[in-house]
Amino acid sequence: NAGVTQTPKFRILKIGQSMTLQCTQDMNHNYMYWYRQDPGMGLKLIYYSVGAGITDKGEVPNGYNVSRSTTEDFPLRLELAAPSQTSVYFCASSYSGQPNEKLFFGSGTQLSVL
Amino acid sequence: AQTVTQSQPEMSVQEAETVTLSCTYDTSENNYYLFWYKQPPSRQMILVIRQEAYKQQNATENRFSVNFQKAAKSFSLKISDSQLGDTAMYFCAFMKQEGAQKLVFGQGTRLTINP
Repeated sequence: NAGVTQTPKFRILKIGQSMTLQCTQDMNHNYMYWYRQDPGMGLKLIYYSVGAGITDKGEVPNGYNVSRSTTEDFPLRLELAAPSQTSVYFCASSYSGQPNEKLFFGSGTQLSVL
Repeated sequence: AQTVTQSQPEMSVQEAETVTLSCTYDTSENNYYLFWYKQPPSRQMILVIRQEAYKQQNATENRFSVNFQKAAKSFSLKISDSQLGDTAMYFCAFMKQEGAQKLVFGQGTRLTINP
Protein backbone atom coordinates (compact mmCIF):
# COMPACT_ATOMS: atom_id res chain seq x y z
CA ASN A 1 0.00 0.00 0.00
CA ALA A 2 1.22 3.47 -0.89
CA GLY A 3 -0.97 5.13 1.77
CA VAL A 4 -1.77 8.80 1.17
CA THR A 5 0.12 10.27 -1.77
CA GLN A 6 0.38 14.01 -2.40
CA THR A 7 1.73 15.67 -5.52
CA PRO A 8 3.63 17.83 -6.12
CA LYS A 9 5.96 17.97 -3.10
CA PHE A 10 7.03 21.54 -3.82
CA ARG A 11 5.62 24.32 -5.97
CA ILE A 12 6.19 28.02 -6.49
CA LEU A 13 3.30 30.06 -7.87
CA LYS A 14 2.99 33.65 -8.95
CA ILE A 15 0.22 35.78 -7.52
CA GLY A 16 -3.01 35.16 -9.40
CA GLN A 17 -2.03 31.79 -10.83
CA SER A 18 -4.11 28.71 -10.20
CA MET A 19 -3.16 25.15 -9.42
CA THR A 20 -4.50 21.86 -8.13
CA LEU A 21 -2.91 19.94 -5.30
CA GLN A 22 -3.43 16.26 -5.80
CA CYS A 23 -4.20 13.74 -3.06
CA THR A 24 -4.90 10.07 -3.57
CA GLN A 25 -5.21 7.14 -1.19
CA ASP A 26 -5.31 3.42 -1.90
CA MET A 27 -6.83 2.26 1.39
CA ASN A 28 -10.50 2.58 0.39
CA HIS A 29 -10.94 5.30 3.00
CA ASN A 30 -14.24 7.15 3.08
CA TYR A 31 -13.02 10.24 4.96
CA MET A 32 -10.47 12.62 3.49
CA TYR A 33 -9.20 15.96 4.76
CA TRP A 34 -7.12 18.93 3.67
CA TYR A 35 -5.11 20.85 6.26
CA ARG A 36 -2.72 23.75 5.87
CA GLN A 37 0.24 24.51 8.12
CA ASP A 38 1.54 28.05 8.09
CA PRO A 39 5.18 28.60 9.13
CA GLY A 40 5.64 27.99 12.85
CA MET A 41 1.98 27.14 13.39
CA GLY A 42 -0.28 24.15 13.82
CA LEU A 43 -2.45 22.63 11.12
CA LYS A 44 -5.82 24.13 10.21
CA LEU A 45 -8.63 22.27 8.44
CA ILE A 46 -9.53 23.62 5.00
CA TYR A 47 -12.08 21.12 3.65
CA TYR A 48 -13.08 17.56 4.31
CA SER A 49 -15.12 14.82 2.66
CA VAL A 50 -17.07 11.95 4.18
CA GLY A 51 -17.41 10.07 0.91
CA ALA A 52 -17.50 10.41 -2.87
CA GLY A 53 -19.66 13.35 -3.88
CA ILE A 54 -19.81 14.86 -0.37
CA THR A 55 -17.59 17.71 0.79
CA ASP A 56 -17.82 20.32 3.52
CA LYS A 57 -15.95 23.38 4.73
CA GLY A 58 -13.47 23.36 7.55
CA GLU A 59 -12.01 26.23 9.52
CA VAL A 60 -10.25 28.11 6.68
CA PRO A 61 -11.98 27.35 3.34
CA ASN A 62 -11.74 30.78 1.68
CA GLY A 63 -9.71 30.79 -1.52
CA TYR A 64 -9.98 27.03 -2.05
CA ASN A 65 -12.27 24.56 -3.77
CA VAL A 66 -12.48 20.78 -3.57
CA SER A 67 -14.23 17.93 -5.30
CA ARG A 68 -14.57 14.24 -4.53
CA SER A 69 -15.64 12.34 -7.63
CA THR A 70 -13.99 9.08 -6.56
CA THR A 71 -13.22 7.43 -3.24
CA GLU A 72 -9.49 7.53 -3.97
CA ASP A 73 -8.96 11.16 -4.95
CA PHE A 74 -9.53 14.47 -3.18
CA PRO A 75 -7.93 17.35 -5.11
CA LEU A 76 -7.61 20.84 -3.67
CA ARG A 77 -7.92 23.76 -6.11
CA LEU A 78 -6.46 27.24 -5.66
CA GLU A 79 -8.05 29.57 -8.20
CA LEU A 80 -6.26 32.90 -7.61
CA ALA A 81 -3.12 32.29 -5.59
CA ALA A 82 -2.28 34.89 -2.95
CA PRO A 83 0.82 35.26 -0.73
CA SER A 84 -1.37 34.39 2.28
CA GLN A 85 -1.72 30.91 0.81
CA THR A 86 1.99 30.22 1.21
CA SER A 87 1.89 27.16 3.43
CA VAL A 88 2.46 23.43 3.68
CA TYR A 89 -0.63 21.50 2.70
CA PHE A 90 -1.39 18.11 4.19
CA CYS A 91 -3.94 15.61 3.00
CA ALA A 92 -5.20 12.96 5.42
CA SER A 93 -7.61 10.04 5.32
CA SER A 94 -9.37 7.49 7.48
CA TYR A 95 -11.95 4.76 6.93
CA SER A 96 -14.77 5.54 9.32
CA GLY A 97 -13.95 8.98 10.71
CA GLN A 98 -14.20 7.71 14.28
CA PRO A 99 -12.02 9.50 16.86
CA ASN A 100 -10.22 6.32 17.92
CA GLU A 101 -9.28 5.40 14.37
CA LYS A 102 -5.83 6.13 12.97
CA LEU A 103 -5.66 9.16 10.72
CA PHE A 104 -3.20 8.69 7.84
CA PHE A 105 -1.34 11.79 6.69
CA GLY A 106 0.44 12.43 3.42
CA SER A 107 3.93 13.91 3.36
CA GLY A 108 2.73 17.38 2.45
CA THR A 109 3.01 19.87 -0.41
CA GLN A 110 5.08 22.98 0.24
CA LEU A 111 3.59 25.90 -1.68
CA SER A 112 5.10 29.36 -2.04
CA VAL A 113 3.16 32.20 -3.65
CA LEU A 114 5.37 35.07 -4.74
CA ALA B 1 -15.39 27.30 18.67
CA GLN B 2 -12.65 25.28 20.28
CA THR B 3 -9.17 26.67 20.84
CA VAL B 4 -5.93 24.95 21.80
CA THR B 5 -3.03 26.84 23.36
CA GLN B 6 0.56 25.70 23.77
CA SER B 7 2.40 28.32 25.78
CA GLN B 8 5.93 26.95 25.30
CA PRO B 9 7.24 27.79 21.81
CA GLU B 10 10.54 26.01 22.46
CA MET B 11 12.03 23.63 25.00
CA SER B 12 15.41 22.00 25.32
CA VAL B 13 16.59 19.19 27.62
CA GLN B 14 19.47 16.78 27.92
CA GLU B 15 19.19 13.23 26.71
CA ALA B 16 17.68 10.85 29.32
CA GLU B 17 15.95 13.69 31.17
CA THR B 18 12.21 13.98 31.62
CA VAL B 19 10.35 16.83 29.94
CA THR B 20 6.77 18.03 30.17
CA LEU B 21 4.99 19.93 27.41
CA SER B 22 1.96 22.01 28.32
CA CYS B 23 -1.38 22.36 26.56
CA THR B 24 -4.62 24.04 27.52
CA TYR B 25 -7.84 24.08 25.56
CA ASP B 26 -11.20 25.75 25.62
CA THR B 27 -14.46 24.01 24.77
CA SER B 28 -18.06 23.77 25.87
CA GLU B 29 -18.24 20.13 24.75
CA ASN B 30 -18.43 17.35 27.29
CA ASN B 31 -17.35 14.48 25.03
CA TYR B 32 -14.17 14.97 23.07
CA TYR B 33 -10.71 13.60 22.38
CA LEU B 34 -7.26 15.07 22.88
CA PHE B 35 -4.10 14.15 21.02
CA TRP B 36 -0.39 14.79 20.92
CA TYR B 37 1.23 14.65 17.49
CA LYS B 38 4.94 14.66 16.73
CA GLN B 39 6.30 16.31 13.60
CA PRO B 40 10.01 15.63 12.94
CA PRO B 41 11.96 17.60 10.32
CA SER B 42 10.64 15.16 7.69
CA ARG B 43 7.20 16.87 8.16
CA GLN B 44 5.55 13.54 8.80
CA MET B 45 2.65 13.75 11.29
CA ILE B 46 2.97 10.99 13.89
CA LEU B 47 0.36 10.29 16.54
CA VAL B 48 2.04 10.04 19.93
CA ILE B 49 -0.88 9.55 22.28
CA ARG B 50 -4.66 9.91 22.50
CA GLN B 51 -6.95 10.63 25.45
CA GLU B 52 -10.72 10.22 25.59
CA ALA B 53 -12.30 12.91 27.77
CA TYR B 54 -14.72 10.46 29.36
CA LYS B 55 -11.82 8.38 30.68
CA GLN B 56 -10.40 9.60 33.98
CA GLN B 57 -7.31 7.42 33.67
CA ASN B 58 -4.40 9.15 32.01
CA ALA B 59 -3.19 7.57 28.75
CA THR B 60 0.31 6.12 28.51
CA GLU B 61 2.34 4.84 25.56
CA ASN B 62 5.74 3.52 26.60
CA ARG B 63 7.85 6.59 27.53
CA PHE B 64 4.98 8.99 26.82
CA SER B 65 2.23 9.80 29.28
CA VAL B 66 -0.29 12.57 29.74
CA ASN B 67 -1.71 14.48 32.67
CA PHE B 68 -5.32 15.15 31.75
CA GLN B 69 -7.14 17.61 34.00
CA LYS B 70 -10.65 17.95 32.56
CA ALA B 71 -11.92 20.61 34.95
CA ALA B 72 -8.85 22.75 34.35
CA LYS B 73 -8.92 21.98 30.60
CA SER B 74 -5.29 21.01 30.72
CA PHE B 75 -3.53 18.24 28.80
CA SER B 76 0.22 18.00 29.30
CA LEU B 77 2.60 15.47 27.74
CA LYS B 78 5.43 13.92 29.74
CA ILE B 79 8.33 12.31 27.93
CA SER B 80 10.48 10.13 30.17
CA ASP B 81 14.05 9.06 29.44
CA SER B 82 14.15 11.42 26.47
CA GLN B 83 16.04 10.30 23.36
CA LEU B 84 17.68 12.18 20.50
CA GLY B 85 14.94 10.87 18.21
CA ASP B 86 12.36 12.73 20.27
CA THR B 87 13.61 16.01 18.79
CA ALA B 88 10.64 17.40 16.85
CA MET B 89 7.71 19.79 16.88
CA TYR B 90 4.93 18.58 19.17
CA PHE B 91 1.33 19.58 18.59
CA CYS B 92 -1.56 19.27 20.97
CA ALA B 93 -4.89 18.75 19.20
CA PHE B 94 -8.60 18.63 20.07
CA MET B 95 -11.40 16.72 18.38
CA LYS B 96 -15.12 16.80 19.09
CA GLN B 97 -16.93 13.50 19.20
CA GLU B 98 -18.71 13.77 15.87
CA GLY B 99 -18.80 12.10 12.48
CA ALA B 100 -15.44 13.28 11.20
CA GLN B 101 -11.92 13.68 12.54
CA LYS B 102 -11.80 17.47 12.44
CA LEU B 103 -8.73 18.30 14.47
CA VAL B 104 -8.01 21.69 16.05
CA PHE B 105 -4.29 22.10 16.64
CA GLY B 106 -2.24 24.24 18.97
CA GLN B 107 0.68 26.33 17.75
CA GLY B 108 3.24 23.68 18.62
CA THR B 109 6.29 23.33 20.87
CA ARG B 110 9.71 22.79 19.33
CA LEU B 111 11.50 20.24 21.51
CA THR B 112 15.24 19.69 21.22
CA ILE B 113 16.98 16.81 22.96
CA ASN B 114 20.67 17.52 23.43
CA PRO B 115 23.33 14.79 23.66
